[in-house]
Amino acid sequence: GENVEQHPSTLSVQEGDSAVIKCTYSDSASNYFPWYKQELGKRPQLIIDIRSNVGEKKDQRIAVTLNKTAKHFSLHITETQPEDSAVYFCAAGGGYNDYKLSFGAGTTVTVRA
Amino acid sequence: DTAVSQTPKYLVTQMGNDKSIKCEQNLGHDTMYWYKQDSKKFLKIMFSYNNKELIINETVPNRFSPKSPDKAHLNLHINSLELGDSAVYFCASSQMGGGGNTIYFGEGSWLTVV
Repeated sequence: GENVEQHPSTLSVQEGDSAVIKCTYSDSASNYFPWYKQELGKRPQLIIDIRSNVGEKKDQRIAVTLNKTAKHFSLHITETQPEDSAVYFCAAGGGYNDYKLSFGAGTTVTVRA
Repeated sequence: DTAVSQTPKYLVTQMGNDKSIKCEQNLGHDTMYWYKQDSKKFLKIMFSYNNKELIINETVPNRFSPKSPDKAHLNLHINSLELGDSAVYFCASSQMGGGGNTIYFGEGSWLTVV
């Protein structure tokens, strides 16, 4: 099955700086890579996702890159703000008939004001 | 307009008791899930149903029994609760297979076993 590793486990950045979280996956058949943000006491919510036919996707201050050859993908947050403080999860999954999305262990991001 | 709703949100109970958590989604999705999130924040899938049919059953003690009366509902019943069952349980749904589709989570049910 799919195995997703996520690094770092914790990340502290100064407000305004960038944050980068990296994930690797094991199953070359995986073609869907979402990122979830979980604020304290709340549910995980999708913030951005990418499919294997795309190398990069951007949404305002958030961007995700995918390297299928190396089987790794990354989340980039620019101009971090205090409200970016949360736990971020990467995940990887297969196509239409794959019912399981495998999550990384999470990264706790703290943005220092 | 809640998409995935689960009840109760908080549950404190004694060891050995039996409890249930209910979940409903109004997104018209075919697939529903139960995830367990422990104190280390790891999201571990427990079960997945597609159109009321069990399709994923991870290594979960048989004290946990899911039931899906229809594709909009997935309930979780836990027998003989143990201290280690204390966690947050998230119900979720997706349009089809969750491997390739966005999973939407409910607000979570905080279970504390004392």
